[in-house]
Amino acid sequence: GIQVEQSPPDLILQEGANSTLRCNFSDSVNNLQWFHQNPWGQLINLFYIPSGTKQNGRLSATTVATERYSLLYISSSQTTDSGVYFCAVGGGGTGNQFYFGTGTSLTVIP
Amino acid sequence: DSGVTQTPKHLITATGQRVTLRCSPRSGDLSVYWYQQSLDQGLQFLIQYYNGEERAKGNILERFSAQQFPDLHSELNLSSLELGDSALYFCASSPGVGRGYTFGSGTRLTVV
Repeated sequence: GIQVEQSPPDLILQEGANSTLRCNFSDSVNNLQWFHQNPWGQLINLFYIPSGTKQNGRLSATTVATERYSLLYISSSQTTDSGVYFCAVGGGGTGNQFYFGTGTSLTVIP
Repeated sequence: DSGVTQTPKHLITATGQRVTLRCSPRSGDLSVYWYQQSLDQGLQFLIQYYNGEERAKGNILERFSAQQFPDLHSELNLSSLELGDSALYFCASSPGVGRGYTFGSGTRLTVV
């Protein structure tokens, strides 16, 4: 299957700071999503972004499919942003499943 | 509310027992995926159904089975449970093969 690497594995931010999370993948894909798993375990879809750039409030994401990476930007972080951010890729030659990275654990302190 | 409904939310059972987890996909979604999330394994793909038919299989144990019914809801059956089966089990749905996922809130299974 496709290898998905996320960096950094852990991140601690002061409230109000900005951050960039990275996702590298090993093969061409047709689908890419970013998810946020909150402290209660819920997986929330942030972006469906197989290519290009999208923005939603303080969050934005960019995928450069030809170079096999995606970036998630969090600006003016808030304590509610804490949790684990997962990148998942699928499609292309991978069949029907999405492959998940191991996540970036973000802690935002007040 | 994501539109994907999973029941029960929590389940505690003894080793050797059998349980059934249920998932109702978002309205209009034909694909259902099951994932297991344990502390040391991350999110592992188990199995996918599309419009009632099995489409892909991942790291699903022989003790586990699943099906998707004509109304598109799906059930994951876990039998001869072991302590190591304790995990969060997620269901996700999508409109079609290889399209974006929406996850349910998960079932937290604890085997004692």
